[in-house]
Amino acid sequence: DQQVKQNSPSLSVQEGRISILNCDYTNSMFDYFLWYKKYPAEGPTFLISISSIKDKNEDGRFTVFLNKSAKHLSLHIVPSQPGDSAVYFCAASGEAGKLIFGQGTELSVKP
Amino acid sequence: EAQVTQNPRYLITVTGKKLTVTCSQNMNHEYMSWYRQDPGLGLRQIYYSMNVEVTDKGDVPEGYKVSRKEKRNFPLILESPSPNQTSLYFCASSFSERVYTEQFFGPGTRLTVL
Repeated sequence: DQQVKQNSPSLSVQEGRISILNCDYTNSMFDYFLWYKKYPAEGPTFLISISSIKDKNEDGRFTVFLNKSAKHLSLHIVPSQPGDSAVYFCAASGEAGKLIFGQGTELSVKP
Repeated sequence: EAQVTQNPRYLITVTGKKLTVTCSQNMNHEYMSWYRQDPGLGLRQIYYSMNVEVTDKGDVPEGYKVSRKEKRNFPLILESPSPNQTSLYFCASSFSERVYTEQFFGPGTRLTVL
C-alpha cells in the first residue's frame, strides 16, 4: 500500500523550460512534505520542503505547491537546467522520525 | 567535512551469512535512519533512532537489526541475509527527529545476497 505515489517514472524537458514533478498521497495525517534529489552513485540530497499549513514554498528556481484537498503536491523548476537532471523523490511525514518516500521521477533536461 | 559515511560501499554475500553495514556521522546529529532503495518502490525506511539507545521500526524492519550505542554510529545488522534483501541501502542523519530538518544521506551500500 503505497501512501506516497509518483506516477510518472520519467520526465523529459528542454533546457530553459519549466519542469513539473507531481506527487500524490493518501494519508491525511501527513503534515510535512519534502523533495529530495538524487544523482547516480550518490545519496539523496534535500531540496525543498513544505508544511501542511502552507500551500506554497519557494527557493530560487524551485517551488513546491501543496493542494491538501486533492492530496497532491508538485515541484516546479524554472528555468530547468541540464544539471537538474536527476531522480526526484517526494516524501511525507505524519509522525516524528518516520518518513515515507514516493517511487521517484527521473528528470532529464536536454540542452 | 560534514558527512555520513557507510562501509562497505559494495558487498556480495551468500544467504545466511551474517553481515553488518556500518554508518557513522560527524555532525553530532541526534537522529539517524536506514533506508533501502528498490526499483519501482523508491526509498523505504527500515529503522530509525531519535537518540542514543532509542530505536524504532520503520516500514520494512523484518530481517534487520540496528543498535545505537553511541551518537555517531548506527550499524545495520542482517543476521541471516536472504536474496530479497539485495538492495541499495542508505544511512541518513539529521539534527532532529522532526523530518522538516534536512536529512543528510550517506553515499549508499549496494548489497547483493546470492
